[in-house]
Amino acid sequence: DQQVKQNSPSLSVQEGRISILNCDYTNSMFDYFLWYKKYPAEGPTFLISISSIKDKNEDGRFTVFLNKSAKHLSLHIVPSQPGDSAVYFCASLNTGTASKLTFGTGTRLQVTL
Amino acid sequence: DVKVTQSSRYLVKRTGEKVFLECVQDMDHENMFWYRQDPGLGLRLIYFSYDVKMKEKGDIPEGYSVSREKKERFSLILESASTNQTSMYLCASSPPASQPGGYTFGSGTRLTVV
Repeated sequence: DQQVKQNSPSLSVQEGRISILNCDYTNSMFDYFLWYKKYPAEGPTFLISISSIKDKNEDGRFTVFLNKSAKHLSLHIVPSQPGDSAVYFCASLNTGTASKLTFGTGTRLQVTL
Repeated sequence: DVKVTQSSRYLVKRTGEKVFLECVQDMDHENMFWYRQDPGLGLRLIYFSYDVKMKEKGDIPEGYSVSREKKERFSLILESASTNQTSMYLCASSPPASQPGGYTFGSGTRLTVV
């Protein structure tokens, strides 16, 4: 049973516009939600996270929003750049000795010129 | 610069072969993980390890086993490879009780079973 879901397998956005990637979760017992970015033939790289007790976290062009009542989080990229084209995964994390990441299915973002 | 190194970028194996995927990290991390990535399914956890000789099943352990004889090395073993194990395999490591951003991934091994 997928605990973290990304319902949009792909997204195409024009350069300079906003990209919004969405993620839904079923289990509320997580400490953090994270976004990872992955290029082909490379491992995922950490992008941004949000604590389960917060609503928003911002880092440069990237902002993550958490709506706990809807069990939904989103990643906003503004402005989008061609180098942002990649597969984006949301993930949940429980900290502690038994910490491990649970990933969503991924959304392929293409930023067009 | 911290590193997780997977020994092979591409592998082609025959059905029924025993396959070893090797992962080495140089960060003295206690935790190590094996994931597989498949289109439409994301990254799914196969096995993980919190210490030398310790192992825990992830979400999809069937058909796999692991070995961790040294802290820096975590091996994934396909006892008898099958075509449905054709996938991208990703190794990761982290400190214990890791905070966000504490996980480091290798570049992956693309395994094709024919």
